[in-house]
Amino acid sequence: EAGVTQFPSHSVIEKGQTVTLRCDPISGHDNLYWYRRVMGKEIKFLLHFVKESKQDESGMPNNRFLAERTGGTYSTLKVQPAELEDSGVYFCASSPRESRGAFFGQGTRLTVV
Amino acid sequence: QKEVEQNSGPLSVPEGAIASLNCTYSDRGSQSFFWYRQYSGKSPELIMFIYSNGDKEDGRFTAQLNKASQYVSLLIRDSQPSDSATYLCAVTGGSYIPTFGRGTSLIVHP
Repeated sequence: EAGVTQFPSHSVIEKGQTVTLRCDPISGHDNLYWYRRVMGKEIKFLLHFVKESKQDESGMPNNRFLAERTGGTYSTLKVQPAELEDSGVYFCASSPRESRGAFFGQGTRLTVV
Repeated sequence: QKEVEQNSGPLSVPEGAIASLNCTYSDRGSQSFFWYRQYSGKSPELIMFIYSNGDKEDGRFTAQLNKASQYVSLLIRDSQPSDSATYLCAVTGGSYIPTFGRGTSLIVHP
């Protein structure tokens, strides 16, 4: 069974540019989460999808971040325009049930220069 | 604000010893507790979860939960060098959105 897959693994962009991160969850997992880890800090929750619906987006830092989950399958996280403080590792995770912990993807390391 | 605290370490133990990793949390309403292992440059990997007070054992791993004292711990018996990693504690409440600690670095030396 394929795990959670994220693309790209690394991205270096200039301040002001747009970047779109993609996450393919484990097949059949209704719950999809986005997290971010800034260097030296803990992993922070960004948002939670249940199927195609946003269940909780309280962790999204501002309106430069837009997440979608088309048809309840893969998800994208767009940052537009990117700022220096957006640099970090963005993790996606999925789970079949909310209470059972999640399976993480390898992460996308985003560097904004 | 919900907080999850972990000693950053590193915790260094000899091979074959018991490694004890601790985590405290601030939200008394927390319901689910998870331990993730993260190797350097890799993604977090779920290794244990516990919901009820007491101990839960899975192979060499034992999770211990004490809700009255608001702490959860992870014991690793017969530690191996391959257990060297960062261990992340995560806690959820009714919303099931986890709050993570910063992790404890464990080094198991031969």
